[in-house]
Amino acid sequence: DARVTQTPRHKVTEMGQEVTMRCQPILGHNTVFWYRQTMMQGLELLAYFRNRAPLDDSGMPKDRFSAEMPDATLATLKIQPSEPRDSAVYFCASGVMDRGNEQFFGPGTRLTVL
Amino acid sequence: SQQGEEDPQALSIQEGENATMNCSYKTSINNLQWYRQNSGRGLVHLILIRSNEREKHSGRLRVTLDTSKKSSSLLITASRAADTASYFCATDTNDYKLSFGAGTTVTVRA
Repeated sequence: DARVTQTPRHKVTEMGQEVTMRCQPILGHNTVFWYRQTMMQGLELLAYFRNRAPLDDSGMPKDRFSAEMPDATLATLKIQPSEPRDSAVYFCASGVMDRGNEQFFGPGTRLTVL
Repeated sequence: SQQGEEDPQALSIQEGENATMNCSYKTSINNLQWYRQNSGRGLVHLILIRSNEREKHSGRLRVTLDTSKKSSSLLITASRAADTASYFCATDTNDYKLSFGAGTTVTVRA
């Protein structure tokens, strides 16, 4: 049963600390997306990759956020330094672009920055 | 930015009743998708309807698409308690990104 996995599932940290979230996309999927979900803003696209190359990260605050895909089985989203307003649920999703762009979501990382 | 807007924001129905929610969008699309999110979980893909299709069925789900009105509807028939969730429409334009709406929260009362 192929699924997207994310770690950690929950993270509580203090303002100013570095946070790294990891995602393992479904094997064979060539597109990976990072989303952030809050009550106020809903689901926002932060960045996405195709064949490990970043296509669009315009939704991401560049000064503190960075997203990478060191290899096809790992995508990372890093926040440094973290701020209380970064508190949200971060979702990773993967898909195959040439199959209608259906996206498969991971369970999310719930981040709380104190 | 959110292109899709769902209506209503919240819906409460009795088990066995049908639930209908609508989605409106602003620009031309390749396809429109509906997702479900249970509390505390990730989104799950329900159904995809292409821009040249008008209606699609999947089990108890029926989706319609009216590109002239830039709107879609999702009908869940014979609802069950397990259908309690938030439902999101997502539009796919030409850049492979999905733009999600704010969602409709559906509560099915036993």
